[in-house]
Amino acid sequence: EIVMTQSPATLSVSPGERATLSCRASQSVSSNLAWYQHKPGQAPRLLIYGASTRATGIPARFSGSGSGTEFTLTISSLQSEDFAVYYCLQYNNWPRTFGQGTKVEIQ
Amino acid sequence: QVQLVESGGGLVKPGGSLRLSCAASGFTFSDYYMSWVRQAPGKGLEWVSYITSSADTIYYADSVKGRFTISRDNAKNSLYLQMNSLRAEDTAVYYCARGNTMNYWGQGTLVTVSS
Repeated sequence: EIVMTQSPATLSVSPGERATLSCRASQSVSSNLAWYQHKPGQAPRLLIYGASTRATGIPARFSGSGSGTEFTLTISSLQSEDFAVYYCLQYNNWPRTFGQGTKVEIQ
Repeated sequence: QVQLVESGGGLVKPGGSLRLSCAASGFTFSDYYMSWVRQAPGKGLEWVSYITSSADTIYYADSVKGRFTISRDNAKNSLYLQMNSLRAEDTAVYYCARGNTMNYWGQGTLVTVSS
């Protein structure tokens, strides 16, 4: 099983600042990596797939990069609606595995 | 618009069974792979099971293998998860999600396993 490790566990950021979230895979997942935003009581929302492709309707302030084992999600200027938990998912191997999540909170 | 609506959750005793359903609309259901994902209270997301569009390939997480069965009825635009021999650790919100990249999710249905 591929283990996905996200860092940091919690990120305290002020609105308007940049946020950088990391996701590391225990072995290569090529570019088969997705990022999701999850707010309490809501369905998770796909932000990025293929490591760097924004999903439909996702604002340009969200960007993804990386390949192999190291991936990054960057939110260029945090808006109030961006405070949430973010998960990475590898869909290269079975079983599919998520990272443990990074909570982005208001500083 | 794409909609996924889960149902069938509830309170069940350890060792009991439950069948979850996911009703799909707004897209050609038979064209898409589907998954179940769960989130235990205070925990992160955990992938549970996956089924191809024609149901010819199915995968399960080790934590549910042998106890849960995924299935689909393309004529009814529906996905199912039969859960048997339920344990306290199966308590979670269960989501259905569309496609290999899980680009759409339902709102989830809560399953509570407790005596």
